[in-house]
Amino acid sequence: SQTIHQWPATLVQPVGSPLSLECTVEGTSNPNLYWYRQAAGRGLQLLFYSVGIGQISSEVPQNLSASRPQDRQFILSSKKLLLSDSGFYLCAWRSPGGTQYFGPGTRLLVL
Amino acid sequence: DQQVKQNSPSLSVQEGRISILNCDYTNSMFDYFLWYKKYPAEGPTFLISISSIKDKNEDGRFTVFLNKSAKHLSLHIVPSQPGDSAVYFCAANMNRDDKIIFGKGTRLHILP
Repeated sequence: SQTIHQWPATLVQPVGSPLSLECTVEGTSNPNLYWYRQAAGRGLQLLFYSVGIGQISSEVPQNLSASRPQDRQFILSSKKLLLSDSGFYLCAWRSPGGTQYFGPGTRLLVL
Repeated sequence: DQQVKQNSPSLSVQEGRISILNCDYTNSMFDYFLWYKKYPAEGPTFLISISSIKDKNEDGRFTVFLNKSAKHLSLHIVPSQPGDSAVYFCAANMNRDDKIIFGKGTRLHILP
């Protein structure tokens, strides 16, 4: 069966510091992968998605970036965090049938 | 422009009664609809889906109804249980496109 991992679970970072969040998927090959953010009390905002290694589509221009160095690895990064980057970051993979399945999420607090 | 709308931010239902969560969409090209449940500090969990060729799909206590002419779908939970208290997201997709469009969610409170 497929599983999706995210780490860290929680992260507290100062403004201006870099960020790296990692997502890995097991049990599937060449999945579509997604990064979402849920800000406090708000819905799910799609940030990036990838249909294959090295292929990244950006949905929202901002100071975040994403990379897919391996088939089942998706990384969300920032060179300098802003206060507004605080939120709950979710990684997801898409089944061939079209359903997306989410990881456990990373709570990021930028101070 | 919100293509998937959940107009009720929150809903309170007595335990044992029926919970009905509503969702409207604007894009008639959507052909696949999903409901997710989310607890605080956890990732959303896929609940149930429905294809546009159907008007009803049932899975245990959860039933999703689709009214294509009204561009409306609803999730029925019967009977409601305390563990159903969560945020529910409606989502839509077209032609198994790469992206799913999510609504903003409805927070369901099950009252004892």
